[in-house]
Amino acid sequence: GAVVSQHPSRVICKSGTSVKIECRSLDFQATTMFWYRQFPKQSLMLMATSNEGSKATYEQGVEKDKFLINHASLTLSTLTVTSAHPEDSSFYICSAETGRGHGYTFGSGTRLTVV
Amino acid sequence: AQSVTQLGSHVSVSEGALVLLRCNYSSSVPPYLFWYVQYPNQGLQLLLKYTTGATLVKGINGFEAEFKKSETSFHLTKPSAHMSDAAEYFCAVSEGSSASKIIFGSGTRLSIRP
Repeated sequence: GAVVSQHPSRVICKSGTSVKIECRSLDFQATTMFWYRQFPKQSLMLMATSNEGSKATYEQGVEKDKFLINHASLTLSTLTVTSAHPEDSSFYICSAETGRGHGYTFGSGTRLTVV
Repeated sequence: AQSVTQLGSHVSVSEGALVLLRCNYSSSVPPYLFWYVQYPNQGLQLLLKYTTGATLVKGINGFEAEFKKSETSFHLTKPSAHMSDAAEYFCAVSEGSSASKIIFGSGTRLSIRP
């Protein structure tokens, strides 16, 4: 139980285009989801906290107009990288708090490459 | 503010040897502590977590960790390393309230020598 599905697993896009990454909780409702970014051989950096039905809370230094987060339902949060640039290439991972003994489940990640 | 420090970005042990990955945390409130494992190009898998109660926590794959408040530590151990344990390990902390964000350490890459 407590599975988070993240899609796509890999995406290549051209500079200037936008890419949407989906994060779905399959067997539980996720009021809150988190989006992380991970550079090669580095740790996960929290980008934002996504709250169902309200605006996301962004961490300091994260451009909210560039990384659009939508959490329109209790099972789906999306991250859209707008006007992508090569420096946006990274591994993006979502997470949800399952509400089961304070457990967090992570998606399998999305490898974004901007060319 | 919370933070996590993992000592040693890379640890190498022989197969069958003890694994010890170090983690120290800083938190202004009673923390929840986690260890996650990540294999290449994959998401994170929870190894174990400490919330309240018993300070020695047993997780999957034979790993365990002990919460030591006096030392602000949550080191991860495994008595006997297996080749399949080679991966990246992350220690993490949260504030201990529902839906609070998790802050990750910088990670430790564990290599296993045959």
